Amino acid sequence: AQSVTQLDSQVPVFEEAPVELRCNYSSSVSVYLFWYVQYPNQGLQLLLKYLSGSTLVKGINGFEAEFNKSQTSFHLRKPSVHISDTAEYFCAVSDRGRRALTFGSGTRLQVQP
Amino acid sequence: EADIYQTPRYLVIGTGKKITLECSQTMGHDKMYWYQQDPGMELHLIHYSYGVNSTEKGDLSSESTVSRIRTEHFPLTLESARPSHTSQYLCASSESGPSSYNEQFFGPGTRLTVL
Repeated sequence: AQSVTQLDSQVPVFEEAPVELRCNYSSSVSVYLFWYVQYPNQGLQLLLKYLSGSTLVKGINGFEAEFNKSQTSFHLRKPSVHISDTAEYFCAVSDRGRRALTFGSGTRLQVQP
Repeated sequence: EADIYQTPRYLVIGTGKKITLECSQTMGHDKMYWYQQDPGMELHLIHYSYGVNSTEKGDLSSESTVSRIRTEHFPLTLESARPSHTSQYLCASSESGPSSYNEQFFGPGTRLTVL
């Protein structure tokens, strides 16, 4: 069975500082990995995805993530955050044939001025 | 423009009322999903559908029911709403087929409050 662990429920950070949101997964087969962002009172929006190929993937709003197969991780990073990045971030995993994505419990990013 | 829609966005209703949350998509996707999201953020899959006339229960037991009579429409119904049903409900869709990665596209959500 697949599972996703987001180690930090909340991450406070000052504006223009770098940030890393951690995501670890467990799966016995090759996986596809996703990061979604949820702004207040909205649905989830795809930030980026890893399907195959280069392990460093770039997404929208200056975010990037690195797939590390040996550590079964897919951490999300941004070199300089803005107030507007304040939101909830969800990591998710899938493999071919699964019925749906498996989501982590989410990380609330709080950017302070 | 291809999109996924949910109505209403907000609903406040009394205990015992029957409600239907609407979800429609113009993405041309076969697979559709309903999630319930706690105040603590975690998403729980409550229903999914592979296509017309196909519906399955998700990981979290729910008193709601769903139907899939048309590809683009996946409504969720609560026959008798209770305060324990207060939550945010998110609808999503994805492609199906051998090349599907299960990338899901989400609607804006319905925030339900049962008094």
